[in-house]
Amino acid sequence: EAQVTQNPRYLITVTGKKLTVTCSQNMNHEYMSWYRQDPGLGLRQIYYSMNVEVTDKGDVPEGYKVSRKEKRNFPLILESPSPNQTSLYFCASSSPGVGGGRKQFFGPGTRLTVL
Amino acid sequence: GDSVTQMEGPVTLSEEAFLTINCTYTATGYPSLFWYVQYPGEGLQLLLKATKADDKGSNKGFEATYRKETTSFHLEKGSVQVSDSAVYFCALIQGSFQKLVFGTGTRLLVSP
Repeated sequence: EAQVTQNPRYLITVTGKKLTVTCSQNMNHEYMSWYRQDPGLGLRQIYYSMNVEVTDKGDVPEGYKVSRKEKRNFPLILESPSPNQTSLYFCASSSPGVGGGRKQFFGPGTRLTVL
Repeated sequence: GDSVTQMEGPVTLSEEAFLTINCTYTATGYPSLFWYVQYPGEGLQLLLKATKADDKGSNKGFEATYRKETTSFHLEKGSVQVSDSAVYFCALIQGSFQKLVFGTGTRLLVSP
């Protein structure tokens, strides 16, 4: 089954304790990205990757890092989480091409709470 | 930059009522437009899309028409069901980039 998986699904942590949210897709997609969802703001892109070893900032990259060492994986790293990073996070992937013609697949989400 | 504006919710309807959720966009060029749906506790699913002016996207009884002259992509359904209760996001993609620009989402609550 074609899917994007994220782990963990739920995480409660404390300020400053480094964490990683994993994302993996089994569709051989080149493009992967991370979004955060906040009430009243919709989803905003954090980082994206066009292919292995190619990553770039989205609209709200501060406080986050990513890496793309393998095509299937795109982990999101919070080196020193703060309470304003409490949010619902989604990973997405798609194959390349003109944006409108390519369906994006979303993971189930990771709900992060930083105390 | 590009942006999407949706009507604020929640939208509360009785089963079998007619649904409209308004969506307008601001973009340079000719974006592709999407509606995504998020059911409680789940991720986003693509509901429908339209890639050029006057295209109509449709799925599961939902429809939306790409109106370039009014820069709109309103979502409609003739008869909603309780199972349609969810959050609906309007979004666009511009050019060859894959970044989706989302509206703030509209929560739909359908009561029996």
